Formats: sequence, C-alpha cells, structure tokens
Amino acid sequence: GDSVTQMEGPVTLSEEAFLTINCTYTATGYPSLFWYVQYPGEGLQLLLKATKADDKGSNKGFEATYRKETTSFHLEKGSVQVSDSAVYFCALSEGAGNKLTFGGGTRVLVKP
Amino acid sequence: GAVVSQHPSRVICKSGTSVKIECRSLDFQATTMFWYRQFPKKSLMLMATSNEGSKATYEQGVEKDKFLINHASLTLSTLTVTSAHPEDSSFYICSANRDTSYEQYFGPGTRLTVT
Repeated sequence: GDSVTQMEGPVTLSEEAFLTINCTYTATGYPSLFWYVQYPGEGLQLLLKATKADDKGSNKGFEATYRKETTSFHLEKGSVQVSDSAVYFCALSEGAGNKLTFGGGTRVLVKP
Repeated sequence: GAVVSQHPSRVICKSGTSVKIECRSLDFQATTMFWYRQFPKKSLMLMATSNEGSKATYEQGVEKDKFLINHASLTLSTLTVTSAHPEDSSFYICSANRDTSYEQYFGPGTRLTVT
C-alpha cells in the first residue's frame, strides 16, 4: 500500500536558519504530493502541492520539488521565522476524491 | 473559497454519553468528506470516508457502530461518538474534497474530552 516517511522531529532552529524536512513515499501509481502545516491548536492547512513529476510547489517561502526518480518531496525554506514553528505533514493522494496518506509529522521549533 | 467548519471546537462529555460533531463545507459542495483522528504529537489516522447519500467506508480497526457517520447533504457530514469512553478523547478533524480537485480542505478540528 501507499506510505509516506518523513524525518522525525523535533527540529529546533534559530531564526533565519535554513530548514529542510525530508519526505519520501511509496505508491502504486502516480500520486499527487502535499505538504500540510498545523499550527498549535489549529487544524491542518495546505502549504503547497505538486501533482506530477518535476513540479515545484511553493508558498510562503517554502518549496518542494516532486522527484519521481528518488520518490521524494523534501520541504525547504531558506530563512525561517519564529512564526514558522508548527508541525509539518507530508502526504500523498492517488487521484481526486481519494484519501490522503500522511507521514508522521515533523515538529519544527524556531527560536528567536 | 473552500472553507470547512467544524462544530463544536471543543466538547467535554461524561463517559457513556454520545457526542455529535458536525463538519460543513461553507462555500462548495463536497461529495466526499473524510474523518480523521489525531493523537497527541501523532499523525492523522483516517477513520472513514463519507460519501453523500451512501454509507461511510471505515478503515480497518475503526468500529462503525461506535463512530457513526452520516453524510446527509453535499455540505454536511456528522460524526457521532456513541457511548464515549475516556480513551475516545482525541482531536477529531474532518476534511472535504471537491470533485475537480485532488486537494482536501480541512476543518479546524474538534477537541473531545471524555471524563
């Protein structure tokens, strides 16, 4: 079955540091890939997505590129802020209306 | 657009009682809604997939008689936790999917505490 593996946290960074969260997946077909963010006490928000190989999703300074050859979708941000402290989830979906398969989540803490 | 609401945001109930959680898509029609459960510092566990006008599809290990799901309209799905026990205390999150989109839109979640 489908699965998503992402690096365990917590990841603690200083403000303006570079952030990378690794995500790899296994899927039977050609999934769409997503990064969701969950701020403390809130529900999930879509951060970015990519629907086919070599697509780059970007939003709020975050980027991730769909790498089919390495089955990866690593999340990066060049300069994090305290407000980026949250839990980040990598996920995949195989087709419209299909369920999402989530990774375990990575907690990120950015210190001033 | 694509806003999903949940009500209530927090609920405390006594053991043995039932609790209903509503999930609404406010500005779009959702033929498919999903219910997740999230344990502290853990990922989301899909409980069931709810399609309008038909029975929900439950994931393995989820008791359908305990977690009743109704998707009566294109904008509303409800999750009823029956005969709640303290171990049912959790954060329940719903999401909704539009026909033409691969994207799921998530509600803000409902914190259930069973005492």
